[in-house]
Amino acid sequence: KQEVTQIPAALSVPEGENLVLNCSFTDSAIYNLQWFRQDPGKGLTSLLLIQSSQREQTSGRLNASLDKSSGRSTLYIAASQPGDSATYLCAVLPFNAGGTSYGKLTFGQGTILTVHP
Amino acid sequence: NAGVTQTPKFRVLKTGQSMTLLCAQDMNHEYMYWYRQDPGMGLRLIHYSVGEGTTAKGEVPDGYNVSRLKKQNFLLGLESAAPSQTSVYFCASRPGQVKSYEQYFGPGTRLTVT
Repeated sequence: KQEVTQIPAALSVPEGENLVLNCSFTDSAIYNLQWFRQDPGKGLTSLLLIQSSQREQTSGRLNASLDKSSGRSTLYIAASQPGDSATYLCAVLPFNAGGTSYGKLTFGQGTILTVHP
Repeated sequence: NAGVTQTPKFRVLKTGQSMTLLCAQDMNHEYMYWYRQDPGMGLRLIHYSVGEGTTAKGEVPDGYNVSRLKKQNFLLGLESAAPSQTSVYFCASRPGQVKSYEQYFGPGTRLTVT
């Protein structure tokens, strides 16, 4: 059974710092890995999606990497801002037997990020 | 586009009561999902649907039923609510197999069972 773990569970940093959030998964047979952001009391917003054949994706100050063989992904946030404060979730899309996938994501527990001015 | 919408946003039920949560999407997506989110547990899949008229069990289906009578709607039912079903419920959708794998989430329904 696929298990996804995110470390740390919570992180507090001063504004301007570069930071790294970690995600590890136990089964390397995945289609892709997705990073989400969740603001308090809100739904999930997709930040980056990395296909299994890719090693990284970038969007603005965000960079996500994927090392499928070691079962790890990192989300790098450059020059953090108070507006980055949120919970960050990673999720993997398993590779189903037969090559099909019905999009059943397995989520980590999330990292709560606080960026203080 | 409204994207994925959920009704209601909040609900308080007494143990044993029933209710239905409605998820609607206007993106013509084939696949739809219901998740629950509990503190320290991440999101867990309850049921999902790969097309109109189809449903399947996810990781934690017990105590819930679903229906997908129309492509744009996915209903989650609780026949006899229990305090263990206190949670935040999220609906999501995505295009079919040959297109983007990205899932789009609704804003959530916060349910409390007393």
